[in-house]
Amino acid sequence: GAVVSQHPSWVICKSGTSVKIECRSLDFQATTMFWYRQFPKQSLMLMATSNEGSKATYEQGVEKDKFLINHASLTLSTLTVTSAHPEDSSFYICSGQGNRRNIQYFGAGTRLSVL
Amino acid sequence: AQSVTQPDIHITVSEGASLELRCNYSYGATPYLFWYVQSPGQGLQLLLKYFSGDTLVQGIKGFEAEFKRSQSSFNLRKPSVHWSDAAEYFCAVGGTGTASKLTFGTGTRLQVTL
Repeated sequence: GAVVSQHPSWVICKSGTSVKIECRSLDFQATTMFWYRQFPKQSLMLMATSNEGSKATYEQGVEKDKFLINHASLTLSTLTVTSAHPEDSSFYICSGQGNRRNIQYFGAGTRLSVL
Repeated sequence: AQSVTQPDIHITVSEGASLELRCNYSYGATPYLFWYVQSPGQGLQLLLKYFSGDTLVQGIKGFEAEFKRSQSSFNLRKPSVHWSDAAEYFCAVGGTGTASKLTFGTGTRLQVTL
């Protein structure tokens, strides 16, 4: 199956700093990438959808200036959490979708802890 | 709006016993349906999907699911559970359009006793 690599798997940062999370499709071209947030013991909540070369589409209630998404190539998307605060601590998961429409392949997730 | 309900938050079964995880969906048209599994601290792995055709779909790791349109259900089954199946299971519904969003259920945590 298709592989999506997400890095880092775990990051700790100080409040007020920015953190970048990378999501790479290793063996397919991800025309669309999705970013999710998952709180402990809860489901995945879609944050935004990005298409290669286009601006991301954010879900209602997600601050686009805080969660910057870049999808500059067909194999790489990044999520930058700007001026992170403790309430941004969460598990962030990306997924990529390629030619096999409607099938998303997920990364292993990034646990963000903001002190 | 599309939605998914997984009525069982937590299920415990004995190793070797059969398993059925329930999933009900709400969608305005014919949905695409998915089951994903998540191990602790990990991403999601696709177990199986239903797009069209045969309503009984086979997936990886011995799992199967049956789409029942009349009941708006897509229950996941396995005839004999292994201890390694302990994980969180998510049902999801998506549309048929390009780059269609997935809506996930709240998940069912499966515990397997030896």
